[in-house]
Amino acid sequence: EAGVAQSPRYKIIEKRQSVAFWCNPISGHATLYWYQQILGQGPKLLIQFQNNGVVDDSQLPKDRFSAERLKGVDSTLKIQPAKLEDSAVYLCASSLGIGGNYGYTFGSGTRLTVV
Amino acid sequence: AQKITQTQPGMFVQEKEAVTLDCTYDTSDPSYGLFWYKQPSSGEMIFLIYQGSYDQQNATEGRYSLNFQKARKSANLVISASQLGDSAMYFCAMRHPHTGGGNKLTFGTGTQLKVEL
Repeated sequence: EAGVAQSPRYKIIEKRQSVAFWCNPISGHATLYWYQQILGQGPKLLIQFQNNGVVDDSQLPKDRFSAERLKGVDSTLKIQPAKLEDSAVYLCASSLGIGGNYGYTFGSGTRLTVV
Repeated sequence: AQKITQTQPGMFVQEKEAVTLDCTYDTSDPSYGLFWYKQPSSGEMIFLIYQGSYDQQNATEGRYSLNFQKARKSANLVISASQLGDSAMYFCAMRHPHTGGGNKLTFGTGTQLKVEL
């Protein structure tokens, strides 16, 4: 089965610019997650979708970050305007559902550098 | 609040030897899941092993086993017969079914493992 696809792989932007990341989850996976991984830290959940609805965005900086999952499949994460501290790897993951032993499958991530 | 602690920033092990990576957790929820992930330099997070809080036996997956000590709130990963390809960052994570969207993972800070000849 195909894995979680993410693009771009790398992105360098100047502060105050905007950027968007794309994620295509595994076919049939209802739950999609965006995680932020700052260098030297573990990933931190930004937002979780169940189909096309948001179920957890408590740690998403909503003044600059937005995300959508139209039609319950692909998802886009946007940052506008970017700050230096947004430099991180942005990981997308998907799972069949919530609870039980539903495992995650992660994508390879997008490495963002804000200069 | 749920918390994962990994106290070993870096570990070295000789090829073919076993190594234990430490993980302790804190939660007041009796229902939770514990995961270990491997992150090579390429960046993707690779699932290794899972342990549910109500599982009676320690989880095993090939060369990976999880030493689950519930009373001590520890979930150490044991890698047997280390290989050069095991060199990577290893993360312990906990899932809380009653927090947020019900499937949120909280990660530790990771342990960088280096396997030497």
